[in-house]
Amino acid sequence: EAGVAQSPRYKIIEKRQSVAFWCNPISGHATLYWYQQILGQGPKLLIQFQNNGVVDDSQLPKDRFSAERLKGVDSTLKIQPAKLEDSAVYLCASSRDKRAIGGQFFGPGTRLTVL
Amino acid sequence: DQQVKQNSPSLSVQEGRISILNCDYTNSMFDYFLWYKKYPAEGPTFLISISSIKDKNEDGRFTVFLNKSAKHLSLHIVPSQPGDSAVYFCAASGEGNMLTFGGGTRLMVKP
Repeated sequence: EAGVAQSPRYKIIEKRQSVAFWCNPISGHATLYWYQQILGQGPKLLIQFQNNGVVDDSQLPKDRFSAERLKGVDSTLKIQPAKLEDSAVYLCASSRDKRAIGGQFFGPGTRLTVL
Repeated sequence: DQQVKQNSPSLSVQEGRISILNCDYTNSMFDYFLWYKKYPAEGPTFLISISSIKDKNEDGRFTVFLNKSAKHLSLHIVPSQPGDSAVYFCAASGEGNMLTFGGGTRLMVKP
């Protein structure tokens, strides 16, 4: 079974630029998550999708962050415009169901550096 | 407001000995708890979980203990191996199914 795929693995941009991350979850996993992990901290959930609908986006900074999951499969997370404090690893995860019994499966992440 | 806390940022243990990683939470609505392991440049990997109806769950060398009255859980690794060296995150979820993670503990197992 292929794991969660993410691209790019690394991205360096200047503040006020835009950036987009892509995620392809494990086949058959209905629930997809985007997390932000700042250095030295645990992952923080940004948004959770169930199929192509948003379950929870309460911690997503909607003035600059947006995410979509068209057709209920892969997903993109966009930041526009980026700020210095957005430097972090952005993790995508998926699970078979909302309850994530047995855990969520994480991709390798995209490390974003904003200069 | 950190609802899940791992107060020890790092832990060093000799190979073959027991590693005990601790986690405290404040939200009494949490009813499902998980431990993840993370190597550098990789995403976290699910390790073991426990439901609030249990106080212990065991899987090979890994055992998770839950003390609901103290809002405390711990992960025991016996015996510890050098390959266990990683960052360990505890996470908790409640009715809303969101996972809230602690800040992580870096475990170093010395040969």
